[in-house]
Parts: sequence; C-alpha cells; structure tokens
Amino acid sequence: GQSLEQPSEVTAVEGAIVQINCTYQTSGFYGLSWYQQHDGGAPTFLSYNALDGLEETGRFSSFLSRSDSYGYLLLQELQMKDSASYFCAARTGANNLFFGTGTRLTVIP
Amino acid sequence: DTGVSQDPRHKITKRGQNVTFRCDPISEHNRLYWYRQTLGQGPEFLTYFQNEAQLEKSRLLSDRFSAERPKGSFSTLEIQRTEQGDSAMYLCASSPLPGSRKTNTEAFFGQGTRLTVV
Repeated sequence: GQSLEQPSEVTAVEGAIVQINCTYQTSGFYGLSWYQQHDGGAPTFLSYNALDGLEETGRFSSFLSRSDSYGYLLLQELQMKDSASYFCAARTGANNLFFGTGTRLTVIP
Repeated sequence: DTGVSQDPRHKITKRGQNVTFRCDPISEHNRLYWYRQTLGQGPEFLTYFQNEAQLEKSRLLSDRFSAERPKGSFSTLEIQRTEQGDSAMYLCASSPLPGSRKTNTEAFFGQGTRLTVV
C-alpha cells in the first residue's frame, strides 16, 4: 500500500524556524509536493522536489532524500498566518498525487 | 480564468438520495482529479481524468460513485444512494501535463463541495 507519515501537530513561536518531516512508502515515486491548507480553505501548493536536495521558495524550503524515502518542509521567520495544516504528497505515477495525513502547525506569539 | 471552481459549495441531502457535483478546472489544464477529505485527514484520491478519459479510479470509489468529463472540460461526480459515511468535503483539482520529468505539475484545488448526509 501507500503511506506518508507526518507528525500530527507542531507548535512553534512566531519568528522561529520549524521543520515538518514526511516519510513515505509508495509503489512508484516521481516526487514529493507540499501543500498548505487553512481551516475551511482549499489546499494550496507550496513546493515540489523531484530530485534529492533542497528547494527554496522565499521563507519556505523543502528537502528530499529518495534513498531515505524522506522529505521535510522548513518554514522560516514564522508568522501567525502560517498557522495551518501542511500536507506532503507523493506523485506515485503519471496520474496520482497521494497525500499524507497532514501536520497541524500552530504559531504562537 | 479565476481558478478551479466547484458547485455547489454546500449540499445537505437525505440518506438514500442522489447528488451530483460539478467542477470547472482551469481551462488549459488536461488533468482533473477528484479527492475526498474528512476532518483532520488529508485528501483521499478518488479518480483522475486526462482530458475526457478516466484513467484511474481508487478502490475507495464504490459503484455508487461515478464521475464523468464528457468533453474534457468540466467534470461531474455523482453519488447514488448516499450514506452518512459519504459526508465529507469533495475536492476537485486540475493540473497541466508535464513537459519533462522534472517539471512540477502542481495541482490547483477548488474550494470544494461540503456534503452532509442526514
């Protein structure tokens, strides 16, 4: 089967750095995406890694290690508006985007 | 084009009734996905279209569920004989075809249709 494991909850202080980990087990793997979802909102794309290494997009960075079946999302200079759920998602074939169960991030003052 | 739109945003139905949801993807996107999301969970893949062809269906998709994309543009998802367990947010997403293996084909999601079966 397919599984993507993430911590269920993370709390961090405004201005700090937080890392959200994702380990995956899939049949077929093309890359790992990260999505943000605020309560009541739609998932929105943050980052994608097809190759090993770090991808940086502003305050957000994402890392992938295919050999370890592991990735993480790094959020820097945390802001209150970053409080949301964060999902890793594996592209497991040409067609499917398989989501993890999500990490609820709470940013506190 | 303002993105992926879904209609209706909310639907309350009695158990046993049929419901149909519509999704209008971003116009130049070939790929269209349907997902189901329950509270506290990630989106669960239901089905995928490339243009008008339904190329993949999840085993989660029982025979009460059917999806179409007749002209390769908008899509409909129908649930027959609804059950209380069908209550969830139904999300539609679209994405372009990849130009290369490295090319990200991020999925753009609509706001979803929240179904409540009473």
